[in-house]
Amino acid sequence: DAGVIQSPRHEVTEMGQEVTLRCKPISGHDYLFWYRQTMMRGLELLIYFNNNVPIDDSGMPEDRFSAKMPNASFSTLKIQPSEPRDSAVYFCASSLRQTQYFGPGTRLLVL
Amino acid sequence: SQQGEEDPQALSIQEGENATMNCSYKTSINNLQWYRQNSGRGLVHLILIRSNEREKHSGRLRVTLDTSKKSSSLLITASRAADTASYFCATDENAGNMLTFGGGTRLMVKP
Repeated sequence: DAGVIQSPRHEVTEMGQEVTLRCKPISGHDYLFWYRQTMMRGLELLIYFNNNVPIDDSGMPEDRFSAKMPNASFSTLKIQPSEPRDSAVYFCASSLRQTQYFGPGTRLLVL
Repeated sequence: SQQGEEDPQALSIQEGENATMNCSYKTSINNLQWYRQNSGRGLVHLILIRSNEREKHSGRLRVTLDTSKKSSSLLITASRAADTASYFCATDENAGNMLTFGGGTRLMVKP
């Protein structure tokens, strides 16, 4: 298995632009997680899905952030409009049982 | 506040020495996990210890869990330069496969 796949790996955009991050979980995993990592805040859980259904989105910073999982093999995290404080590394992870498998992350820089 | 808090925040040792990292948490858990993150990469699962276990080994890793003190330790024996990374503990919450990660310990092993 290729593991969790994320795209793009790097994204540089200007404030106000829409950003879409993509994730393909490991086949057969029924949980999918989106995290954000910064030096200041560490690793934060934004939202997670079980069987494509959002279970807890209390970590989503504000309405500018939205996430979808239209099917078991694909999820998106969208930021619209983006702001400089959104600059971070965004990780997607999937799991079947307790262990989570992380993707390589998307490094986002909002200028 | 974070469920798991690692101590120390940073640790620098010589190759061949042992490295010990500690994690404290606040609420009851079913299991506790340790993950490693190399610079610029996603987190990788190392080991899981259940609440009814006190010690677990995996290669050069030894994990202990003291549920009465709500603490865990990760010992890496005979460290190598390749062990240089950040190490995170993660605890499960009540529902689903959600984990709460601590702030991590940055380990540097000097050759």
